[in-house]
Amino acid sequence: AAGVIQSPRHLIKEKRETATLKCYPIPRHDTVYWYQQGPGQDPQFLISFYEKMQSDKGSIPDRFSAQQFSDYHSELNMSSLELGDSALYFCASSFPSSYNEQFFGPGTRLTVL
Amino acid sequence: KNEVEQSPQNLTAQEGEFITINCSYSVGISALHWLQQHPGGGIVSLFMLSSGKKKHGRLIATINIQEKHSSLHITASHPRDSAVYICAVRWEYSGGGADGLTFGKGTHLIIQP
Repeated sequence: AAGVIQSPRHLIKEKRETATLKCYPIPRHDTVYWYQQGPGQDPQFLISFYEKMQSDKGSIPDRFSAQQFSDYHSELNMSSLELGDSALYFCASSFPSSYNEQFFGPGTRLTVL
Repeated sequence: KNEVEQSPQNLTAQEGEFITINCSYSVGISALHWLQQHPGGGIVSLFMLSSGKKKHGRLIATINIQEKHSSLHITASHPRDSAVYICAVRWEYSGGGADGLTFGKGTHLIIQP
């Protein structure tokens, strides 16, 4: 069965650079969530989109932005990268229902040097 | 701040033992997820519960809404079950929509042969 696809899987950037992470949801899922998991930390919710509109916002820094496109894939744009942005970034997708079971992608590991 | 607490934080057991991991949360939820994370990072959704009990193979998840508590059980544990098990909830007050999950800090499980 098709799963959530994230690209790239690994990314190395320098401080103050920008990065773009991509998420392709499971077919027919129109809801996407982004999470950040720092080293040794539990995942933290960043932002979500439903039908191409921002739905919920968590602890996403102002330096980050995201959007969902007409094909439902989503991109997380990160600017002025800091060392503390080094983390595993997960995307999850769901099909809207009253319970919204989320299916997670493999994650993108971002390292900021 | 609404919280999700897991216990134990670390658990080492012998192959074949019955394993129980607990999760408690502070206020009402609309759904609770049990997730598995292996070294290297990928997150796999094991169960999503809103009431009662679910079983999949050797895994059983239960939830008591009144007591705000859930348990994940592993029967006949095997070294391949070694992973981090994470409880994550969707708060009831979310009111629907694509709301992010709040995660517990995880239980590090090691099953020794």
